[in-house]
Amino acid sequence: QQQVKQSPQSLIVQKGGISIINCAYENTAFDYFPWYQQFPGKGPALLIAIRPDVSEKKEGRFTISFNKSAKQFSLHIMDSQPGDSATYFCAASIHTGNTGKLIFGQGTTLQVKP
Amino acid sequence: DTAVSQTPKYLVTQMGNDKSIKCEQNLGHDTMYWYKQDSKKFLKIMFSYNNKELIINETVPNRFSPKSPDKAHLNLHINSLELGDSAVYFCASSQLRGGRLETQYFGPGTRLLVL
Repeated sequence: QQQVKQSPQSLIVQKGGISIINCAYENTAFDYFPWYQQFPGKGPALLIAIRPDVSEKKEGRFTISFNKSAKQFSLHIMDSQPGDSATYFCAASIHTGNTGKLIFGQGTTLQVKP
Repeated sequence: DTAVSQTPKYLVTQMGNDKSIKCEQNLGHDTMYWYKQDSKKFLKIMFSYNNKELIINETVPNRFSPKSPDKAHLNLHINSLELGDSAVYFCASSQLRGGRLETQYFGPGTRLLVL
């Protein structure tokens, strides 16, 4: 029940296209849903995050859509660029005592072709 | 200034050896974590410390022993290394505010290869 399922595993998009990555969860105790971007040889870095009291959050070309009833959320990358080529992880946060932990999805490797 | 730093960046060692990885954060956070990323890039939490106190231990073998000498440091010692320990280990830190988890900041990772 603490899993976060992410799809697709890999994605190839043409420059200027829209990249869409989907995640689903089961545990309704999750209260924070970040997306992380990871370039080869680097640590994951926060891209954008949402809390379940809103249905959409947009930052520049990146948008999270959140469907609380369906327990699904997705990342949309508009006008995808070759520099967006990276691995993307969705995650969900759950609190344990005076700390919290992130449960990560399996990751999506995005390749944006010029 | 690097927010979360780890040393070493690469670690190649023989099976059965003992090794340590060090992590430091200069963000003033009170919570630090160790994550393991396997060859399929799956990220899984191993430990969490809050103010030097172990909070989360995700059923990690007791060959792995984290230690937090202070809020800014979290080290990971691994005894009797096994082939399956080969992975990238990430340190992260965050601040819990009002019962809500804030952003976790990750270090650059330590690439461990056990031969």
